[in-house]
Order: sequence, then C-alpha cells, then structure tokens
Amino acid sequence: QVQLQESGPGLMKPSETLSLTCTVSGGSISNYYWTWIRQPPGKGLDWIGHIHYSGSTNYNPSLKSRVTLSVDTSKNEFSLKLTSVTAADTAMYYCARSRRRGYCSGGSCYSMEFDYWGQGTPVTVSS
Amino acid sequence: QSVLTQPPSVSGAPGQRVTISCTGSGSNIGAGYDVHWYQQLPGSAPKLLIYVNNNRPSGVPDRFSGSKSGTSASLAITGLQAEDEADYYCQSYDDSLSGSVFGGGTKVTVL
Repeated sequence: QVQLQESGPGLMKPSETLSLTCTVSGGSISNYYWTWIRQPPGKGLDWIGHIHYSGSTNYNPSLKSRVTLSVDTSKNEFSLKLTSVTAADTAMYYCARSRRRGYCSGGSCYSMEFDYWGQGTPVTVSS
Repeated sequence: QSVLTQPPSVSGAPGQRVTISCTGSGSNIGAGYDVHWYQQLPGSAPKLLIYVNNNRPSGVPDRFSGSKSGTSASLAITGLQAEDEADYYCQSYDDSLSGSVFGGGTKVTVL
C-alpha cells in the first residue's frame, strides 16, 4: 500500500523559507506526478504545483515566483521550498500522487486525479 | 475565489438523496477535462471518491455517483448516512493555469 508522509517545521516566522519533504513508501516515485496542495484553516484546497519524477515542474502562477519543487528518486521523496513566507501561507500542506498530468489528446482531455494523499503537515507563520 | 464553483452547503435527512454541483468554464470542465471528487472527513486528508467523472475507486460505496455535462459536473449521494457528513471537493484541470483547480468545497450535513 502506497503511503505518503509529509515533514516540515510546523512554526515559522515571516520572511523565512519554508521547506517540506514528502517521503513515499510502499511504491516507487518513478512514473508518477507528485503534487503539493495546501488548505488554509477553515478554507478549501489550493494547488501549489506538481513535479514529474523526471524533474519537470508546473507551478501555480500565483506562487510561481516563490516556489521550487524538487525530486530525489534515490530517496523516494520530493520536496517543496517556499520563500518569503507570510501569515497568508499558514495552512495544512498535503502531498499527493497522480498517474498523469493534464493534457488533451485525440479529442479527449484528461486532468490529474490524486489517488494517494499524505496526512498533511501544519505550517503556521507568525512573528 | 475558487475557479470551480460549488454550493457552500447541502443537507438532507438520512436515506435521502443530495446532489452537489460543480460549475467551471471553457478553460477547464468546458474544455473537456474530466472531473474528480474528494471527500474530506473532519480532521482528515481528502480521499478520492469519484475519478474521471463517474468512476468509483475500490471500496467506495455505490451510493456515490458522478456525472458531467458541458461546463458542469455533479456528485450525487443516495441513501444518505450519518457517516457521509463531510466536506466534498470537485477538481479538474485548467488550461489557463496549466494546473489543477478545485471547487471551494461543499459541507454535507445529515439532519
């Protein structure tokens, strides 16, 4: 059974850089897309970005200037770095797996579906 | 403001049928991208409930069903049970973002 486990600092100060890691167990990180999603307290889900095991990435335009995703296939893990955090970045951060990216082919369009999720790691930004 | 629009809440008595709508636009659902639904129980991570418009992962009861038409999709829960109280999110892909988009979520209350 595939399991994802996020790890992170928990509490941060404004202007610091957030670093999160998602460790994948029970399956290989290869051949999949890996996504970070966050959920501010009491609010909905926001896509941050995704990375293919090959290293190709896509970021939410609203965060693109501050986000970097990376993957380490030897450790079966992938990571997120978010610079210059503010209180608006306070949220539960989830990592998730998808078997494909969004694309259109042969008249049909396919979106990413997230079949496995981590339990989430809370991040609070406060001075 | 979420790219996909869902009603904030729906409610129903045990045994009743409820539906949750998910409205998008021509750059996401209307472009033909499929829609997925997630159930988030209180204090838990989201769980895939319906994938590719109307398919259930193994273990999901057939009380849950999905559909898609034009720029919208719907999730139906028949024979509502107390354990179905949760937040439900729709999700698709958006050409403008080149990424995934979610609805704002719908809280289902069992009366």
